[in-house]
Amino acid sequence: KNEVEQSPQNLTAQEGEFITINCSYSVGISALHWLQQHPGGGIVSLFMLSSGKKKHGRLIATINIQEKHSSLHITASHPRDSAVYICAVRNYNAGNMLTFGGGTRLMVKP
Amino acid sequence: EPEVTQTPSHQVTQMGQEVILRCVPISNHLYFYWYRQILGQKVEFLVSFYNNEISEKSEIFDDQFSVERPDGSNFTLKIRSTKLEDSAMYFCASSVVASTGELFFGEGSRLTVL
Repeated sequence: KNEVEQSPQNLTAQEGEFITINCSYSVGISALHWLQQHPGGGIVSLFMLSSGKKKHGRLIATINIQEKHSSLHITASHPRDSAVYICAVRNYNAGNMLTFGGGTRLMVKP
Repeated sequence: EPEVTQTPSHQVTQMGQEVILRCVPISNHLYFYWYRQILGQKVEFLVSFYNNEISEKSEIFDDQFSVERPDGSNFTLKIRSTKLEDSAMYFCASSVVASTGELFFGEGSRLTVL
């Protein structure tokens, strides 16, 4: 079973700050997802990674397969970035099953 | 932009009643999933579905749960006899491909069992 840990659990930032959210997992994976959960509960997929780095707008996601670690960075943070960010991994031997982290609750203050 | 739609957005039911949650995945997607999130807890995988059959299911997905794709567009999750602990947000998701495919989630169906 894969254990997925995120840090920090809660994060408060000022608008414009650079934000990093971390995700560590215990067992080899085929893919890692970063998801955003809005205050109303809906979930949006931000990135899916199996290696390297991806960038979309102000969001950057990186993964280090050897260290079993991924980071989500937000540059020039904005209050609309306030949400819960969730890391989820797909194990090599678990087909389509995802294991989710507990999420990082981000609040960006103006 | 295509999206996954779920109905109802909120359902309140009495313990022991049957509940059906409905999802319309994105039309060209082949893989369908149900997840649940109990209030304040992690999202949990329930089941994946491909080619009209279950491809994987978690320990949570016991005999009281079932899924089907009755008409080629809807994807449903049925809970036969609801329990208090079934109260949760249920998310449907779909993807074009399986292990390397981006997931598209619906907005969720909140189930409250009294």
